Amino acid sequence: GENVEQHPSTLSVQEGDSAVIKCTYSDSASNYFPWYKQELGKRPQLIIDIRSNVGEKKDQRIAVTLNKTAKHFSLHITETQPEDSAVYFCAASKGGSYIPTFGRGTSLIVHP
Amino acid sequence: DAGVIQSPRHEVTEMGQEVTLRCKPISGHNSLFWYRQTMMRGLELLIYFNNNVPIDDSGMPEDRFSAKMPNASFSTLKIQPSEPRDSAVYFCASSFSEAADTQYFGPGTRLTVL
Repeated sequence: GENVEQHPSTLSVQEGDSAVIKCTYSDSASNYFPWYKQELGKRPQLIIDIRSNVGEKKDQRIAVTLNKTAKHFSLHITETQPEDSAVYFCAASKGGSYIPTFGRGTSLIVHP
Repeated sequence: DAGVIQSPRHEVTEMGQEVTLRCKPISGHNSLFWYRQTMMRGLELLIYFNNNVPIDDSGMPEDRFSAKMPNASFSTLKIQPSEPRDSAVYFCASSFSEAADTQYFGPGTRLTVL
C-alpha cells in the first residue's frame, strides 16, 4: 500500500518567515495530494490540494509543489502569521476506491 | 449547508460499556470515512464507505469495533466492549464522489473510557 512520510514533525518560525513542509509518497500511481490544517481542538480542514497533472498551485500565501519523478510534494507558507500555528497534514491518494494515506502531521509554531 | 454532523461531541464511559458514535454526512456526498486521532498514533483511517457500502475496513483495530451505514445520510461506529485504550477523538468525514476528493470533517467526538 501507499506510504506517506512527512517532515519535519515540528517546525518553529518567527512571524514573517517562510515555512516549508515536505511529504514523500511511495506509490507512483497516486494522483491527488491534499493538505489539511488542524487548529488545536478543531477538525482538519482542507487548505490546498494538487493533482498530478499540475506541478504547482498557489493560493495567496500558500503554495504546493509536486515532483512526480522524485515522488514528493511540499507545502510552502510565506509571510507566516501567528494564526498559521496549527498541525498540518499531507495525504496521497490514487483515486477511485483507494483511500487516501495521511502523513503523521507537522506542528507549526509561529512566534510573534 | 450544515456540514458533517457528529454526536455526541463528548462521551465519557466506563470500561466494558458499549459506545455508539453517530455521523450525518453532507447531503449529496457519496463517500464517508471514520478516523481515530491520538497523540501517539496520529490520524488513523478506520473504515471507508462508498455509496453506503464498506469498501475498506482494514483500519478497524479489532472485532470490538463495527461500523454501519444503513442509508446515505447516517452512519454509526460502535465499540463493544470499550477499553481505556480506545480513548481518542473520532472524526467522521465525507466527500462528494470518491476517496480522491476533498474530505469535509465533522467536529469529532472526544471519547474517554475510564
